[in-house]
Amino acid sequence: DGGITQSPKYLFRKEGQNVTLSCEQNLNHDAMYWYRQDPGQGLRLIYYSQIVNDFQKGDIAEGYSVSREKKESFPLTVTSAQKNPTAFYLCATSAGGGRTDTQYFGPGTRLTVL
Amino acid sequence: AQSVTQLGSHVSVSEGALVLLRCNYSSSVPPYLFWYVQYPNQGLQLLLKYTTGATLVKGINGFEAEFKKSETSFHLTKPSAHMSDAAEYFCAVSDIQGAQKLVFGQGTRLTINP
Repeated sequence: DGGITQSPKYLFRKEGQNVTLSCEQNLNHDAMYWYRQDPGQGLRLIYYSQIVNDFQKGDIAEGYSVSREKKESFPLTVTSAQKNPTAFYLCATSAGGGRTDTQYFGPGTRLTVL
Repeated sequence: AQSVTQLGSHVSVSEGALVLLRCNYSSSVPPYLFWYVQYPNQGLQLLLKYTTGATLVKGINGFEAEFKKSETSFHLTKPSAHMSDAAEYFCAVSDIQGAQKLVFGQGTRLTINP
């Protein structure tokens, strides 16, 4: 069954803790993306990767880190430096990095800081 | 820089009525435009996209959108609303830089009244 898997679906974190969100895909897509969604603000790009072992900052990368060691996986770490991490996090993939390529989205992880 | 404005954060229509969700964009290059739909606590699903060619684009679930360059618009329509159309809708434009970076509007929540 092809698709994008994000885990966990819900995540609770205490202030000051780092937490890692998982994103796995079996679509054989080259490009992967992380977005943050806040109510009334649409989606904002955190990081993206076009190939393994390479990634670029998006518009709101401060307080986040990523790795791309395998084509299938693009985990996002929310560090303690992120001042307001409570949000809905969405991972997406596209076949290549072209401007016309469709991005496919995972089901999301809702992170709540207690 | 690219930008997207969705007019109306909340739209309410009766079942069977016309659905019209407005999207205006700003782009320094020929735009590539997308409409996505999001159901509660889920990821985004592509409804339709415009790249080149025919300016009237048909998508899934009976939706269509028309690219109007002179008005910098890409409004989404559906002739007859169904209860299952209740969701949040996002318009996006493809950024000009490198990878396929999407710039999203703030979203429009569509409510269907029985």
